[in-house]
Amino acid sequence: AQSVTQPDIHITVSEGASLELRCNYSYGATPYLFWYVQSPGQGLQLLLKYFSGDTLVQGIKGFEAEFKRSQSSFNLRKPSVHWSDAAEYLCTSNNAGNMLTFGGGTRLMVKP
Amino acid sequence: ETGVTQTPRHLVMGMTNKKSLKCEQHLGHNAMYWYKQSAKKPLELMFVYNFKEQTENNSVPSRFSPECPNSSHLFLHLHTLQPEDSALYLCASSQVGGFRDEQYFGPGTRLTVT
Repeated sequence: AQSVTQPDIHITVSEGASLELRCNYSYGATPYLFWYVQSPGQGLQLLLKYFSGDTLVQGIKGFEAEFKRSQSSFNLRKPSVHWSDAAEYLCTSNNAGNMLTFGGGTRLMVKP
Repeated sequence: ETGVTQTPRHLVMGMTNKKSLKCEQHLGHNAMYWYKQSAKKPLELMFVYNFKEQTENNSVPSRFSPECPNSSHLFLHLHTLQPEDSALYLCASSQVGGFRDEQYFGPGTRLTVT
């Protein structure tokens, strides 16, 4: 069965610092991969997605992610974090129809 | 209204109560989903409806009963719940048709079972 792993449960960065959130998937073929962000009390908002083609994908709010098949990873990055980026970040994959498999999430805290 | 809406946003119920959660999508999608989000656990898919037909029941206890009267509305009927059912219940929708596109989520209903 496919699985998605986010190794970091919590991450704290200083405002203005760079950010990388890790995501690993396990599946034989190339899955469809997504990153969602969830602010407190809110639903999930799609940041970006990867289906095929260019392995570096750009998303909203200045985020980007890179698909690396050799490492089974789809890490999320942002060059300079803003205080408003503090939230829960969820990596997910879709490789069987419309069924999503979610990672455990990474909670990002931003220090002033 | 746009996107996916859910009501109520917060619900407190006793174990003997019967209540319903409502979800409505204004995106013209043909698939709808219920998810459960508990503390310290990954988001869990509960039910999937494609074209109003239930295509997935992820081993959910019968005290949760979904209903999808049309492609825009989805309900989750709750009865005799347990305290461990306290969680955030999220509804989502997507357009299914040979293309695995992203799902759009509602804000969720925070359920507390006392």
